[in-house]
Amino acid sequence: DAGVTQSPTHLIKTRGQHVTLRCSPISGHKSVSWYQQVLGQGPQFIFQYYEKEERGRGNFPDRFSARQFPNYSSELNVNALLLGDSALYLCASSLDPEQLGELFFGEGSRLTVL
Amino acid sequence: GNSVTQMEGPVTLSEEAFLTINCTYTATGYPSLFWYVQYPGEGLQLLLKATKADDKGSNKGFEATYRKETTSFHLEKGSVQVSDSAVYFCALIGMDSSYKLIFGSGTRLLVRP
Repeated sequence: DAGVTQSPTHLIKTRGQHVTLRCSPISGHKSVSWYQQVLGQGPQFIFQYYEKEERGRGNFPDRFSARQFPNYSSELNVNALLLGDSALYLCASSLDPEQLGELFFGEGSRLTVL
Repeated sequence: GNSVTQMEGPVTLSEEAFLTINCTYTATGYPSLFWYVQYPGEGLQLLLKATKADDKGSNKGFEATYRKETTSFHLEKGSVQVSDSAVYFCALIGMDSSYKLIFGSGTRLLVRP
């Protein structure tokens, strides 16, 4: 079975631009979470979605938004990019939010902002 | 707030050496505790977990015991292999925010033949 897939794997943007990152969860998984991993640090929680509803939001500015589609795939959008947004963006899926902490991660989308 | 502190790396060991990676946490109540591993070029994978005090999580020869009295969840392995080289993350889920994992900063392990 396919794992969590993310696209694109790498991308380069300039300050002020917008980016959309995509994630397909493992088949049958209905919950998707997004994390930001800055180089040398642990992942930080951005959003969790379940059944297309936002279940939780981390301490990120409103420039960050996300949504989940009827097929449970998800998009993360970041507007007005800053240099500090350069990071590895990780998507994770689970059967449902009650699978506490048992997440399956994709390999991530590496964003570089110049 | 909830937080996780891990020992800084890199940790460099010879094959068959004993491994300990320290992890302590701050949280209200009784969080669930996890170790995730990130092998080169791969996504994060759950290695083991423990959901209540004195529980021992184990997998692939790795073990960690949930110590409420010392707020610790140290990762151990009796004999490491070159293939264990990776970055290891300690993480928790708090009782007050069950939708998000809180990670430590990670510890890189290098195992030399």
